[in-house]
Amino acid sequence: EIVLTQSPGTLSLSPGERATLSCRASQSVSSTYLAWYQQKPGQAPRLLIYGASTRAAGIPDRFSGSGSATDLTLTISRLEPEDFAVYYCHLYDSSRWTFGQGTKVEIK
Amino acid sequence: EMQLVESGGGLVQPGRSLRLSCAASGFTFGDYPMSWVRQAPGKGLEWVSYIRMKLYGETAEYAAAVKGRFTISRDDSNSMAYLQMNSLRTEDTAVYYCSRALRPSGDAFDIWGQGTMVTVSS
Repeated sequence: EIVLTQSPGTLSLSPGERATLSCRASQSVSSTYLAWYQQKPGQAPRLLIYGASTRAAGIPDRFSGSGSATDLTLTISRLEPEDFAVYYCHLYDSSRWTFGQGTKVEIK
Repeated sequence: EMQLVESGGGLVQPGRSLRLSCAASGFTFGDYPMSWVRQAPGKGLEWVSYIRMKLYGETAEYAAAVKGRFTISRDDSNSMAYLQMNSLRTEDTAVYYCSRALRPSGDAFDIWGQGTMVTVSS
């Protein structure tokens, strides 16, 4: 079973700064099946990125995904006030779907 | 507008059963795999179950934590998905989200419902 480990657990940044979130898989994975979600308190998750680097419909271009094999990255180029939330990476592999434990991006 | 609306949550005693429903609208339901994802209070997301389209035999997958106790199903004629939960345990307490898979491969979930809370307690 593949385990996804996200880091850091919490990222304290100011609006306008760049956020870099990491997701490490316990073994090599296909980036085709890697996604990122944003979740705000009391809300359902929202798909941001799929296929490791393709933005979902309506997602601003300040969000970008990259990486392959075991190391994936979500970058928010310039944080807007509405971007402060929890972010999860997500993997599909061999009929199993796994989420990372999440990274909270909070206002510094 | 594409939408998923869950219902059926509530307070239930350990060992009892509950059936969650997910009503879809705004898209051709039968063209997409569907999934259930849960989130325990204050915790992260946990995938629960997945059902493929009729074209792929409506086959289902389950997380180890619920296999043998939960059953996912779908009714394409009514644009509904269901999660039958038996032998509930306190650790099943969570918000349960219904979600649509973006592609037949099922690798990402692009539409989510607002969730329905299930509390398992005596």
